[in-house]
Amino acid sequence: NAGVMQNPRHLVRRRGQEARLRCSPMKGHSHVYWYRQLPEEGLKFMVYLQKENIIDESGMPKERFSAEFPKEGPSILRIQQVVRGDSAAYFCASSPPMGPISEQYFGPGTRLTVT
Amino acid sequence: DQQVKQNSPSLSVQEGRISILNCDYTNSMFDYFLWYKKYPAEGPTFLISISSIKDKNEDGRFTVFLNKSAKHLSLHIVPSQPGDSAVYFCAASVNGNQFYFGTGTSLTVIP
Repeated sequence: NAGVMQNPRHLVRRRGQEARLRCSPMKGHSHVYWYRQLPEEGLKFMVYLQKENIIDESGMPKERFSAEFPKEGPSILRIQQVVRGDSAAYFCASSPPMGPISEQYFGPGTRLTVT
Repeated sequence: DQQVKQNSPSLSVQEGRISILNCDYTNSMFDYFLWYKKYPAEGPTFLISISSIKDKNEDGRFTVFLNKSAKHLSLHIVPSQPGDSAVYFCAASVNGNQFYFGTGTSLTVIP
């Protein structure tokens, strides 16, 4: 009964490079959420996806950030041309299809460092 | 615009005593509230939740209280144990879509 998997756990990128963060939801979960935690801050919602659909991306920066959750494979959070301010912990969470509202299950996070 | 606020960044409690963690929110449309616990280098772990139709939910040593008129919820842990030392986040949502998290309270339970 694997939980939410995220890889890599640590990612170092130089300014201007691209970062790709992967999230495999729990088995049976079709909803994925991405959050960012900056140092000394709480979790900030970025995007909510279902398979092949972006449901809510109101927390995503307008430029350089994109997310997808294809029919097959993990969800990907992509950050183009990274800058030092992108350094943060990025958490993915998944939840099953909604019946009664259910809680989200979090992965261990990917810590991105931009040098 | 922080819609969910945890005004105490840290809290220290003696083992065996009660820990009370507080959370305030501004959006009256929130209808579901959750508490998460987070250890360093790990993702948050769900603890307990409450819907807006209730004012209390209990699970073992953990109880969440909701005061809708005050837009306030609290998490009570009793008795507190050293293993409870972690960062606690409250979160709120409207219809379970986007979840808004507080900034967390770091709880230290002193043996």
